Amino acid sequence: SQQGEEDPQALSIQEGENATMNCSYKTSINNLQWYRQNSGRGLVHLILIRSNEREKHSGRLRVTLDTSKKSSSLLITASRAADTASYFCATVGRGSTLGRLYFGRGTQLTVWP
Amino acid sequence: GEEVAQTPKHLVRGEGQKAKLYCAPIKGHSYVFWYQQVLKNEFKFLISFQNENVFDETGMPKERFSAKCLPNSPCSLEIQATKLEDSAVYFCASSPGTVDEKLFFGSGTQLSVL
Repeated sequence: SQQGEEDPQALSIQEGENATMNCSYKTSINNLQWYRQNSGRGLVHLILIRSNEREKHSGRLRVTLDTSKKSSSLLITASRAADTASYFCATVGRGSTLGRLYFGRGTQLTVWP
Repeated sequence: GEEVAQTPKHLVRGEGQKAKLYCAPIKGHSYVFWYQQVLKNEFKFLISFQNENVFDETGMPKERFSAKCLPNSPCSLEIQATKLEDSAVYFCASSPGTVDEKLFFGSGTQLSVL
């Protein structure tokens, strides 16, 4: 498998707190993407970071990538109850065809009002 | 349309029966992908299409699974002689195939094999 583990498997926080999720992978990548899945729904793309980038921001999201450690983190600042969902990282390996993503097992985030 | 549309939402089949799932990609997207999600976590890539041509089928269990994307028709994923382990949510996704490589996912078809 090209994908490692996501950490933690589950995270429970209060509204307003920050949430940090980590993702590890095993092989060289072209890019790494984070997706959100609400219960019973499909995946929604959040952010993409390329292998030559170290940090990227989008609204309340901050993603970092450390290719030397083969790891990434997703930070959600000032969390809201609506952020409750599962979060998945997915990698596109070097030489992989377009859209062939290798997913982690996800982090279940619960944000309490 | 503006969303990836998958039908049906739920499908129940007895072991050995055939299952057929459908997907209409976002208009203008030339790439279609099928993923299988088992037990609400692992996503497994099955197959991708560029228009009506198979792009990457290295994830497909070829014995019982087949897929098509024909012009002017929804794409389809068919499972012959379903087995218990085929129970999963099957997601279709599409992409315009540009440098921005994000995928747009449908809401999935829950297949239950009894």
